[in-house]
Amino acid sequence: DSGVTQTPKHLITATGQRVTLRCSPRSGDLSVYWYQQSLDQGLQFLIQYYNGEERAKGNILERFSAQQFPDLHSELNLSSLELGDSALYFCASSVGSGGRPTEAFFGQGTRLTVV
Amino acid sequence: GDSVTQMEGPVTLSEEAFLTINCTYTATGYPSLFWYVQYPGEGLQLLLKATKADDKGSNKGFEATYRKETTSFHLEKGSVQVSDSAVYFCAPGTSYGKLTFGQGTILTVHP
Repeated sequence: DSGVTQTPKHLITATGQRVTLRCSPRSGDLSVYWYQQSLDQGLQFLIQYYNGEERAKGNILERFSAQQFPDLHSELNLSSLELGDSALYFCASSVGSGGRPTEAFFGQGTRLTVV
Repeated sequence: GDSVTQMEGPVTLSEEAFLTINCTYTATGYPSLFWYVQYPGEGLQLLLKATKADDKGSNKGFEATYRKETTSFHLEKGSVQVSDSAVYFCAPGTSYGKLTFGQGTILTVHP
């Protein structure tokens, strides 16, 4: 068990809909990362938050947004869903402060299926 | 931006064979280097890491050495087992912990 909790584990929704994925980081970790894993794109970095603030942005679509709350949990919001958004979405957390990079710990992922 | 090139897969080996998965990277600054493993139906788990040049990371019989001059971090194991079948990801980590992943290498080990 990595200590990172993601909910829900599975999500099936229709095109055009909006969903929210939730992530609780490991105790003490201030950084949260979101990744998308699909067969054609591999594992893509979406966005990072550090202690409530956006730290880095990757290949995140404008239809997607995220935030990190004061209790450090994070939510990834996906809207106007398309079939191509079907993927496994991972959350990871790390200590994530400046200085030498430390490892990230991954949750089990949320499998999103858009029909 | 940061990028990783991993050995093309899938890799299929017999049990007790020697494994090498090549990884080269480009990254800004002075990254730490990581290998992650993903077993079927699971999330990614850290396999090993190295935080500075010439460091050797090791875990569960796997090893990788941080080669700054060649920007490489090749994964090796002397004798693979069926239970090692998984997808392996190489990733440099830069300041504030962001990881850039390679495309992953699927390893299948047959008895």
